[in-house]
Amino acid sequence: EAGVAQSPRYKIIEKRQSVAFWCNPISGHATLYWYQQILGQGPKLLIQFQNNGVVDDSQLPKDRFSAERLKGVDSTLKIQPAKLEDSAVYLCASLPARLISGANVLTFGAGSRLTVL
Amino acid sequence: GEDVEQSLFLSVREGDSSVINCTYTDSSSTYLYWYKQEPGAGLQLLTYIFSNMDMKQDQRLTVLLNKKDKHLSLRIADTQTGDSAIYFCAEISSASKIIFGSGTRLSIRP
Repeated sequence: EAGVAQSPRYKIIEKRQSVAFWCNPISGHATLYWYQQILGQGPKLLIQFQNNGVVDDSQLPKDRFSAERLKGVDSTLKIQPAKLEDSAVYLCASLPARLISGANVLTFGAGSRLTVL
Repeated sequence: GEDVEQSLFLSVREGDSSVINCTYTDSSSTYLYWYKQEPGAGLQLLTYIFSNMDMKQDQRLTVLLNKKDKHLSLRIADTQTGDSAIYFCAEISSASKIIFGSGTRLSIRP
């Protein structure tokens, strides 16, 4: 089974510019997550989707971050305008719709590393 | 709200056992995970335990869950230099919300 695909792997931008990250979850996985991992910290949940609906976006800085999951498959995360403190790795992960005993492996993509100068 | 806490650092001698501890607050947690992250690398799932289990063993790894105290531990037997990494504890609630701890950096002394 193919894993979670993310792109780009690396992005360097200047502050106040915009950037977009793309994620393709594992086929059939209804739940998709975006996490932000700042160097030296644990992943912080930004947004959780169930199919194409938002389940939790309480920690998403909505003045500059936006995310969508059209058609309940691929997702994009956008930052506009970027700030220095947005430098981090942005991780996408997915899970099946229903938690099934022995089969609930939260699978992460390789991440998109953002550097804001 | 939900929270997952871990100690930040652990140093052990090569060949000894490492025990990494984690506490969580969400009593509705269904699964608890341990992830390993090496420098510059992604998150690698090490093991997970269902909330109705007390213990799970997988080769050198033993996970213990005390649901009453909301305490999870990961024991690595015969710790090797390749075990040097940051270890993250994570819980998944009934709403499929997943919260990570801040990670425990494990260093190995010769």
